[in-house]
Amino acid sequence: GAVVSQHPSWVICKSGTSVKIECRSLDFQATTMFWYRQFPKQSLMLMATSNEGSKATYEQGVEKDKFLINHASLTLSTLTVTSAHPEDSSFYICSARDNRAGAQPQHFGDGTRLSIL
Amino acid sequence: GQNIDQPTEMTATEGAIVQINCTYQTSGFNGLFWYQQHAGEAPTFLSYNVLDGLEEKGRFSSFLSRSKGYSYLLLKELQMKDSASYLCAVVDSNYQLIWGAGTKLIIKP
Repeated sequence: GAVVSQHPSWVICKSGTSVKIECRSLDFQATTMFWYRQFPKQSLMLMATSNEGSKATYEQGVEKDKFLINHASLTLSTLTVTSAHPEDSSFYICSARDNRAGAQPQHFGDGTRLSIL
Repeated sequence: GQNIDQPTEMTATEGAIVQINCTYQTSGFNGLFWYQQHAGEAPTFLSYNVLDGLEEKGRFSSFLSRSKGYSYLLLKELQMKDSASYLCAVVDSNYQLIWGAGTKLIIKP
């Protein structure tokens, strides 16, 4: 079964709205989670690395004030797209690092398709 | 810089075998992933190699040569549902994933 839950799966909203996406590790503690964005027919692009209890590390070109990341617990990281605009429409995917012995090192959520009208 | 190379697109016939290659140049190496991604969906884990050699899992096998910076994913007995993008990703010395652009595999009847 799924070990990382991402919610919501789909969001359609008006320009200027802020949208929050949640990423939860279901049966393990994830001190590190990753947020990706993928535009149609393109590869995954890492946006930021989310570390529990500390500030996220953003990749070059990703606006910190635009994409707010909070990782307040060992099982939950959130990405908030503030004042979203049509160009922010994309497929957002989270993943969680799994440090358990013998486990697959990283698990992906099912993704969130964001459409800004 | 860090670089992952894989073919952009490949075409194969249903029932056949196809090999998707991946070469990498990264700062350190802590393993290599292969993922399958269907359009509009999140990637699905296929394999993780950290030691040299071939790992077989059903119809799919993955090979790694660390000295050559090379891996391949072998798909046997191809089915139409195998039409997807296949992503190669390397874990670097900072335990960050470095992604290839993906190989779009088209299966023809």
